[in-house]
Amino acid sequence: GDSVTQMEGPVTLSEEAFLTINCTYTATGYPSLFWYVQYPGEGLQLLLKATKADDKGSNKGFEATYRKETTSFHLEKGSVQVSDSEVYYCALSDPQGGSEKLVFGKGMKLTVNP
Amino acid sequence: EAGVVQSPRYKIIEKKQPVAFWCNPISGHNTLYWYRQNLGQGPELLIRYENEEAVDDSQLPKDRFSAERLKGVDSTLKIQPAELGDSAVYLCASSLDSRTQYFGPGTRLTVL
Repeated sequence: GDSVTQMEGPVTLSEEAFLTINCTYTATGYPSLFWYVQYPGEGLQLLLKATKADDKGSNKGFEATYRKETTSFHLEKGSVQVSDSEVYYCALSDPQGGSEKLVFGKGMKLTVNP
Repeated sequence: EAGVVQSPRYKIIEKKQPVAFWCNPISGHNTLYWYRQNLGQGPELLIRYENEEAVDDSQLPKDRFSAERLKGVDSTLKIQPAELGDSAVYLCASSLDSRTQYFGPGTRLTVL
């Protein structure tokens, strides 16, 4: 079945450091890919998405490019801030795989120190 | 525009007791999802509704879990009786195009 493997944390960075969170996927169809962020005590909020190969999703300085050839959707940010300290989830939705549910990775907790 | 609303936000019960969670999706969203998120894990789908029809409930433990979505709007998820292993965050999400899901704040259930 469909699955998502993402870099597990926790990860601690200094402010203004470069961030990469790796995410690879396995899918039977042609999925849409997502990054969600979870704030303490809150549900998941959509950070960015991409629906086809070579699409780049971007939001709040974060970017991720849908790479079909490497089945990857790595999240990057050039200069992290303390306010980016949250838990990040990579996910896919694969209607052709038989379901429109989101399949999530295990999440990665990021801490950014001033 | 109001987001997905869930209640209660927190619930503590003793094992073998019943519990119910309520979700009101974003207005106009015809697809509604219930997910369970165990500690340190990503959410996993329990059930998906298209309007009032449950179209994917393959992961719902039907011996103790039930759900309904009357009139195709808000939804209730019930557990009876609750077990210790049911302690988790229960998330509701809704979507219009079935590709972008918007999540509520969740209900954190603790079973003692």
